[in-house]
Amino acid sequence: ETGVTQTPRHLVMGMTNKKSLKCEQHLGHNAMYWYKQSAKKPLELMFVYSLEERVENNSVPSRFSPECPNSSHLFLHLHTLQPEDSALYLCASSQGNDKYQETQYFGPGTRLLVL
Amino acid sequence: GNSVTQMEGPVTLSEEAFLTINCTYTATGYPSLFWYVQYPGEGLQLLLKATKADDKGSNKGFEATYRKETTSFHLEKGSVQVSDSAVYFCALSGQGGSEKLVFGKGTKLTVNP
Repeated sequence: ETGVTQTPRHLVMGMTNKKSLKCEQHLGHNAMYWYKQSAKKPLELMFVYSLEERVENNSVPSRFSPECPNSSHLFLHLHTLQPEDSALYLCASSQGNDKYQETQYFGPGTRLLVL
Repeated sequence: GNSVTQMEGPVTLSEEAFLTINCTYTATGYPSLFWYVQYPGEGLQLLLKATKADDKGSNKGFEATYRKETTSFHLEKGSVQVSDSAVYFCALSGQGGSEKLVFGKGTKLTVNP
């Protein structure tokens, strides 16, 4: 049981579709993150939001568009994806105050398959 | 830049065997070090952490000691259980004003009864 929820848990989409992933945290944290987890690769940090402002964007293609309307919610909007974008997308949150001892809390992930 | 190297898997053990998963890191200054665990079909969970040299993190029978002299944070457990089967990730949080975690590639552990 975690304080970070993600919906949907599974998603299948075609390359021309538009979909959104949702993340919600109930921990009162100020920072939220999107990660991509592909087989046999380290977790790839995609985006970081702190106090609803994007503070990091790790060279992610524009077909991924994040949105953080408030400190509890984070979205990842998807459009015209490629099959190689199929992966587990993980959301995480952290307090955002103590940069040296930051612990991130992860959601269960959305398993995305692009056909 | 900061990086984490952990032993390649998969690791297969019998129940009650001793577990070691090696992790070494490269970082400037004094990073915080973490072990995360991912059970099948789930997201990552923090298993333990250490924030300064010689600190020992422990949880659920797992331990890891922050060794600055060898830049290591090896994960150990004296007697594994079937329920410990999961993927284990070593990670560090840099001391540079950045909040992001740098992860290793993960080590898959399978414990057989």
